[in-house]
Amino acid sequence: DAKTTQPTSMDCAEGRAANLPCNHSTISGNEYVYWYRQIHSQGPQYIIHGLKNNETNEMASLIITEDRKSSTLILPHATLRDTAVYYCIVKGNEKLTFGTGTRLTIIP
Amino acid sequence: GAVVSQHPSWVICKSGTSVKIECRSLDFQATTMFWYRQFPKQSLMLMATSNEGSKATYEQGVEKDKFLINHASLTLSTLTVTSAHPEDSSFYICSARELGTTYNEQFFGPGTRLTVL
Repeated sequence: DAKTTQPTSMDCAEGRAANLPCNHSTISGNEYVYWYRQIHSQGPQYIIHGLKNNETNEMASLIITEDRKSSTLILPHATLRDTAVYYCIVKGNEKLTFGTGTRLTIIP
Repeated sequence: GAVVSQHPSWVICKSGTSVKIECRSLDFQATTMFWYRQFPKQSLMLMATSNEGSKATYEQGVEKDKFLINHASLTLSTLTVTSAHPEDSSFYICSARELGTTYNEQFFGPGTRLTVL
């Protein structure tokens, strides 16, 4: 797997957009960028994934740079329930390997 | 989205006993299921990958005789922790990959917290 780098922790005010960055400078052409999150004492939850185009779903948007070396997950209107550890993972067909992620805390 | 369940959600057992954890895909068929372990304040660590009808593939450092995995059907995989000891206390999470999907999305169960006394 290509290695990813994420900030250890971030805070975001409730109602604002939360922008979570991820660097993956060694990503290869057939590898996707996946985002999962894990709320305390629960299993990880799939958020979104993409290859090179920006993606949006009901949960979030994923912005991938043109060179694919970094990406940003955007939660457009953060709520207290979005407090979790967010994992950015790069993978092709192989197994999903979790790094340490970003602990996002939404502040009331 | 697809739902994965785990049973039990938590279990407490005495040292030396064996514990079985079930992982089920409720509304889809899973070609592959994965078992992870997570210690407090740490990330998920992949233990093994199991494909229906074949032997599991264990990650380096994971004892296959201690963590028995059975994937007898496309909707059920079980993890048995044999002769459990306090150091096996952890949060065990399974995930499943849907048969026939065009991309490799994995759906995770809610986890099972094992405490060995």
